[in-house]
Amino acid sequence: DAGITQSPRHKVTETGTPVTLRCHQTENHRYMYWYRQDPGHGLRLIHYSYGVKDTDKGEVSDGYSVSRSKTEDFLLTLESATSSQTSVYFCASGGTGGAGGANVLTFGAGSRLTVL
Amino acid sequence: EDQVTQSPEALRLQEGESSSLNCSYTVSGLRGLFWYRQDPGKGPEFLFTLYSAGEEKEKERLKATLTKKESFLHITAPKPEDSATYLCAVQTLEYGNKLVFGAGTILRVKS
Repeated sequence: DAGITQSPRHKVTETGTPVTLRCHQTENHRYMYWYRQDPGHGLRLIHYSYGVKDTDKGEVSDGYSVSRSKTEDFLLTLESATSSQTSVYFCASGGTGGAGGANVLTFGAGSRLTVL
Repeated sequence: EDQVTQSPEALRLQEGESSSLNCSYTVSGLRGLFWYRQDPGKGPEFLFTLYSAGEEKEKERLKATLTKKESFLHITAPKPEDSATYLCAVQTLEYGNKLVFGAGTILRVKS
């Protein structure tokens, strides 16, 4: 079984509608992340969480909010979707097992969102 | 501002033709440098972590090295199944548990 799952995998929506993407991990990892991936930009961090109810902004957080009510679940919400938010969204989770606290991340398969 | 730059953007190799991918970084307080592989339509998959200059790690045809300013991913005698996008990421003391990714190198290996 996959350690981290995302839903939905594909979604088409219209400008101005709310959208929620879900991420579920079974690794009992403390840290969880939402990234977006766009051609030429690589992966850019939207928000991340360092524990239940503890979240922080990434480099492209405008227009997004997150919530983490349980260790295993991390939700990404677009309150009012815009065409610029058309992208592939990846969730990741990680522990602190590396030297110096370096995190090895496990990624989900991605959620492709199209905003018309 | 911390930056991670990967080159080349794309690389085409013949099967068996060895080459290297580059990841240069301008960060302070490096905690770790990571290499990931990403296949089309899938999430990135972890390959290596390097922690300090001079460190090397190997896995099958891949070897990652690290200096104070850059990392190389050497691919020896590549096969078509090595075709993927290779991503480099850094974690720093300043940014705690956030990883900053480069834009990636798209590798195509032809038989």
